[in-house]
Amino acid sequence: AQSVTQLDSQVPVFEEAPVELRCNYSSSVSVYLFWYVQYPNQGLQLLLKYLSGSTLVKSINGFEAEFNKSQTSFHLRKPSVHISDTAEYFCAVSDYNKAAGNKLTFGGGTRVLVKP
Amino acid sequence: DAGITQSPRHKVTETGTPVTLRCHQTENHRYMYWYRQDPGHGLRLIHYSYGVKDTDKGEVSDGYSVSRSKTEDFLLTLESATSSQTSVYFCAISEGQGAYGYTFGSGTRLTVV
Repeated sequence: AQSVTQLDSQVPVFEEAPVELRCNYSSSVSVYLFWYVQYPNQGLQLLLKYLSGSTLVKSINGFEAEFNKSQTSFHLRKPSVHISDTAEYFCAVSDYNKAAGNKLTFGGGTRVLVKP
Repeated sequence: DAGITQSPRHKVTETGTPVTLRCHQTENHRYMYWYRQDPGHGLRLIHYSYGVKDTDKGEVSDGYSVSRSKTEDFLLTLESATSSQTSVYFCAISEGQGAYGYTFGSGTRLTVV
């Protein structure tokens, strides 16, 4: 079974500072990787995903993540955070099963608190 | 979220009672999932469905059952609620296989007292 490890449960960061959220996964086969964001009292929203091709993927709101196959990592970064980035972030990896669709395995989440 | 609705949004129930949570979608997606979210555990898959009347267990299925009699509805039943099932439950839908991500509902906060 796949597993996803998010190394930091909480990351406090000052506004306009950079942030990096670390994610490692266990799969040894080709995978699809995702980052989701959850704002308080809401469901999860897809932030970005890696399917194939360029190992650097970007979101529309300034986040980017880099797929590193040799290190089985998919770290998320933002060069300058805003107060509105305060949320919990989840890394997920697909468990591609032709019959059952892409079951996602999620990490434990990283709570980002942006301070003014 | 647009296209996927969970009900109820909040529920308090007593230990030992059955509880049913509903997930309704208007996207005509084939795949539907139930997850629970607990601090430190992220989201864990309870059950999923890959078509009408086609369901299977996830990693934390004990004490839960599901049914999908129509494409748009996926029901999660706690057969006899326990305090360990106090959690936030999320439904998700997926258009297809592999590269497709999920669209999540807004969640149901369930408290078992």
